[in-house]
Amino acid sequence: EDKVVQSPLSLVVHEGDTVTLNCSYEVTNFRSLLWYKQEKKAPTFLFMLTSSGIEKKSGRLSSILDKKELFSILNITATQTGDSAVYLCAGATSGTYKYIFGTGTRLKVLA
Amino acid sequence: SAVISQKPSRDICQRGTSLTIQCQVDSQVTMMFWYRQQPGQSLTLIATANQGSEATYESGFVIDKFPISRPNLTFSTLTVSNMSPEDSSIYLCSVDWSSRSDTQYFGPGTRLTVL
Repeated sequence: EDKVVQSPLSLVVHEGDTVTLNCSYEVTNFRSLLWYKQEKKAPTFLFMLTSSGIEKKSGRLSSILDKKELFSILNITATQTGDSAVYLCAGATSGTYKYIFGTGTRLKVLA
Repeated sequence: SAVISQKPSRDICQRGTSLTIQCQVDSQVTMMFWYRQQPGQSLTLIATANQGSEATYESGFVIDKFPISRPNLTFSTLTVSNMSPEDSSIYLCSVDWSSRSDTQYFGPGTRLTVL
């Protein structure tokens, strides 16, 4: 059965800290790994990763995929209170365009 | 970028009633998806809706409970039928602009509470 597991489940840090969020996956016919940020209802897209070892970066956020170890990390440097959210990763399958979501990591950044 | 809207944004309903959620996209898309997110849980795919064909439902979801319409390439509806408190969730539609980014983008969601 396909599954995506995220860790930690929750995290509390102070502004300025750096955090690393983890995502491991077992997805049949794996196509890509996606990261989303969910603040209220709608997840907003952060990154899509398809190739191992190539870092994707957007401002203070970066992510990388390891297809051999079936693993991805999301790094956030110099955290701000606005980074407080649930971060979701999802494995996408070929052919069906189906996403399998992890349960998310709830990040709280304290001022 | 394209805009995805959902109506209603939230609703409180009585058990036994039905609610239809609308999803509107401002450009044509091939694939639309409906997800459910129960309190404290992650997103679970309910069904995939392609224009001109029957929706494809995931295991555990049936058409009688969650009928879906997809009358054109910019619009879809999800109905939650004969609701019970267990249906209290956030319902999200998403679209995959396969010809562009091969990534799903989500609508703003509908928060449903069933009393």
